Amino acid sequence: DTEVTQTPKHLVMGMTNKKSLKCEQHMGHRAMYWYKQKAKKPPELMFVYSYEKLSINESVPSRFSPECPNSSLLNLHLHALQPEDSALYLCASSRGGMNTEAFFGQGTRLTVV
Amino acid sequence: DAKTTQPTSMDCAEGRAANLPCNHSTISGNEYVYWYRQIHSQGPQYIIHGLKNNETNEMASLIITEDRKSSTLILPHATLRDTAVYYCIVRVNYGGSQGNLIFGKGTKLSVKP
Repeated sequence: DTEVTQTPKHLVMGMTNKKSLKCEQHMGHRAMYWYKQKAKKPPELMFVYSYEKLSINESVPSRFSPECPNSSLLNLHLHALQPEDSALYLCASSRGGMNTEAFFGQGTRLTVV
Repeated sequence: DAKTTQPTSMDCAEGRAANLPCNHSTISGNEYVYWYRQIHSQGPQYIIHGLKNNETNEMASLIITEDRKSSTLILPHATLRDTAVYYCIVRVNYGGSQGNLIFGKGTKLSVKP
């Protein structure tokens, strides 16, 4: 199983809503990542978890709150988002270490209205 | 900032080899070169990676120059399904054991019939 599963695939939310994006992998990977991708732009790294601990936060606004409940799951909690936060949110995982490839999910297409 | 430079776009005839160049003149001795691609509206897909030797797998070949300042990804027989944005990434180490993937702008490869 080399899949990273993200749910939901599409999400429309209002600026006052609270929602969560979910990511799951069963490859035994110990590093998990959140990326944000705007249209026609490359993915931008947001957060990195290593062994279930947050190791990198790329100065992401606090309205995005990551959580890693266990080694297979990664959540991204959303609250009070702005329309400019509309984007494709990608989750990835890897074994960790320099010489390992990352596997990406298909993303959640988020629209903030 | 990304540490690689790639052409913005390239065309390739179906059935011919696609050669995608990448410059990474500031690469450090322990940094790997990774290639990913992203087909429209999907998550990035790992292709291949290498340190200093040439590498080949079922998808592609990676040729790294002896000084490691540039590399070329070769798709030996391009098909229409290879149309995608191709990202060349030098794996950045933030000081932890894992290296994070920082995407540059990539090369949009269009395979034409």
